[in-house]
Amino acid sequence: DTGVSQDPRHKITKRGQNVTFRCDPISEHNRLYWYRQTLGQGPEFLTYFQNEAQLEKSRLLSDRFSAERPKGSFSTLEIQRTEQGDSAMYLCASSIGGQNIQYFGAGTRLSVL
Amino acid sequence: GNSVTQMEGPVTLSEEAFLTINCTYTATGYPSLFWYVQYPGEGLQLLLKATKADDKGSNKGFEATYRKETTSFHLEKGSVQVSDSAVYFCALPLNTGNQFYFGTGTSLTVIP
Repeated sequence: DTGVSQDPRHKITKRGQNVTFRCDPISEHNRLYWYRQTLGQGPEFLTYFQNEAQLEKSRLLSDRFSAERPKGSFSTLEIQRTEQGDSAMYLCASSIGGQNIQYFGAGTRLSVL
Repeated sequence: GNSVTQMEGPVTLSEEAFLTINCTYTATGYPSLFWYVQYPGEGLQLLLKATKADDKGSNKGFEATYRKETTSFHLEKGSVQVSDSAVYFCALPLNTGNQFYFGTGTSLTVIP
């Protein structure tokens, strides 16, 4: 069990650029979640996958946000045409289906200049 | 929908002091309740959970009891240590699926 891994840990980008983050879940976990955390707030749910199926995406913040998990293992979160308001910590978590405990990665901190 | 309201911080305590962080919930039915902890520079870690009314979750000297009557899940520790300095989040599953709703977090600083 190597834990949930996120890459990169930090990303600085200019407004209008596209960014992509990667998450590698714990290997036997079939569920994968993305959250956003802004300063002084708790994590805010964005989307989740069961295997390769994206089962909930209505909470993605806008159509500039998209996520994939093409082979049911790692996942990517892409933000197109970034805005300063997208600056936040993006967290990934994974779990075994049917259990409620989610295991979190250390997050990717995005700064949009 | 399901939600939690968490005591605002920051909280500063001396080592060996008693800690209480309040959390109340609004929920359909009786979902499991959780406390997560986030140490500086790290991801969230599950601290403890309770799956039904009157259950007590405990870990690392922390405890929380699932109280249906008061819709509360307060976090307590009898004697805090400097190493307990972190941000604590109360959480519960949203109405569908396993995605969580997190409280705003309570920052705890323990001074020697």
